[in-house]
Amino acid sequence: GESVGLHLPTLSVQEGDNSIINCAYSNSASDYFIWYKQESGKGPQFIIDIRSNMDKRQGQRVTVLLNKTVKHLSLQIAATQPGDSAVYFCAERAGTASKLTFGTGTRLQVTL
Amino acid sequence: KAGVTQTPRYLIKTRGQQVTLSCSPISGHRSVSWYQQTPGQGLQFLFEYFSETQRNKGNFPGRFSGRQFSNSRSEMNVSTLELGDSALYLCASSQGSGNTIYFGEGSWLTVV
Repeated sequence: GESVGLHLPTLSVQEGDNSIINCAYSNSASDYFIWYKQESGKGPQFIIDIRSNMDKRQGQRVTVLLNKTVKHLSLQIAATQPGDSAVYFCAERAGTASKLTFGTGTRLQVTL
Repeated sequence: KAGVTQTPRYLIKTRGQQVTLSCSPISGHRSVSWYQQTPGQGLQFLFEYFSETQRNKGNFPGRFSGRQFSNSRSEMNVSTLELGDSALYLCASSQGSGNTIYFGEGSWLTVV
């Protein structure tokens, strides 16, 4: 499949290290945030989400941090693996509608 | 449980033609939304359907339309295709308001 988003900011991380991907959101009314992983030629894959009444949520090897004061979201991946190489998008949603507003994405490259 | 299924996966159309893309949501999901992904504009919301009604619409011209059937399956149509309509079209589904949104693999449309 083709690659979408050829000129994205890139984060290079060595295998086994921790990765931190950052995202700034714009809408103060956003109350739900999601991180997606998109591999080449595939659709976005849900990783983890967080609601605005929380500031931290952990999953398997992933942690999302939310700082509403500065409208900042981060995704931490522990012990990064080659299979984590992909483009990562943050998305925000205001209210209960299904409309998501996506960030520009960050390409994560895992080096051996 | 099967994921969001989109057909066709790849298609090539000529300028001026129209195209219809199909989406089958995850079983039990009643909300279906559509997104366009391009290298230049990233992921942009097209529209959302819930119980056969369009509930939300993005900032796209009227050439882009959609519908949802009683079984929650959805189609989107683009008429009078332009070169700039070349993109990955993504369908996403959720159980309803405020629930996690899952994406399909997308339909790659190339307009020549």
